Amino acid sequence: RKEVEQDPGPFNVPEGATVAFNCTYSNSASQSFFWYRQDCRKEPKLLMSVYSSGNEDGRFTAQLNRASQYISLLIRDSKLSDSATYLCVVNAPDSNYQLIWGAGTKLIIKP
Amino acid sequence: GAVVSQHPSWVICKSGTSVKIECRSLDFQATTMFWYRQFPKQSLMLMATSNEGSKATYEQGVEKDKFLINHASLTLSTLTVTSAHPEDSSFYICSATGLGPYEQYFGPGTRLTVT
Repeated sequence: RKEVEQDPGPFNVPEGATVAFNCTYSNSASQSFFWYRQDCRKEPKLLMSVYSSGNEDGRFTAQLNRASQYISLLIRDSKLSDSATYLCVVNAPDSNYQLIWGAGTKLIIKP
Repeated sequence: GAVVSQHPSWVICKSGTSVKIECRSLDFQATTMFWYRQFPKQSLMLMATSNEGSKATYEQGVEKDKFLINHASLTLSTLTVTSAHPEDSSFYICSATGLGPYEQYFGPGTRLTVT
């Protein structure tokens, strides 16, 4: 079983729609969770951290379910510019700085 | 703030040659730098972790004699791919941390093609 699992997609979604995707992680000791965005042939960029209580940043909402060990990302009113690969990332519990990366979910927003 | 540069952006080299990639933190001191490799449609794979002034820690399966890492200062780390082969062709990305736990700032990546 992979440490961080994501549906690779692609998710083809019309502009303006709401889309959500999940990620599951295997190590219950992980404490820090993130969503990164990666555009084709570019480096990953931090989209948002995921807090236990859930958090929202504009059109993006992240939620954490510790009991089921999954993290979700919801994008409302999707824009063409949201097309990217979204990477779910969790910390490695036995390290102060190492991260464990999911393979990413590809999102394509269509006009 | 928290800008990381990486050079070159892309490089094409012949099999058997060596390639050096630089990673610099421009506006902060990076206590730790990471080197990742990413093959198409795959996740980032951590290759090694380097701390300034000490030897890099390599992940399992990464040959330290092939991928030489030098972290000479708090703002510069280099990765040298020695005797490159076509299977080393990949997207190499560095990141740096120093502003807080788990906060990693990425360089723009280097696309290496070995012919």
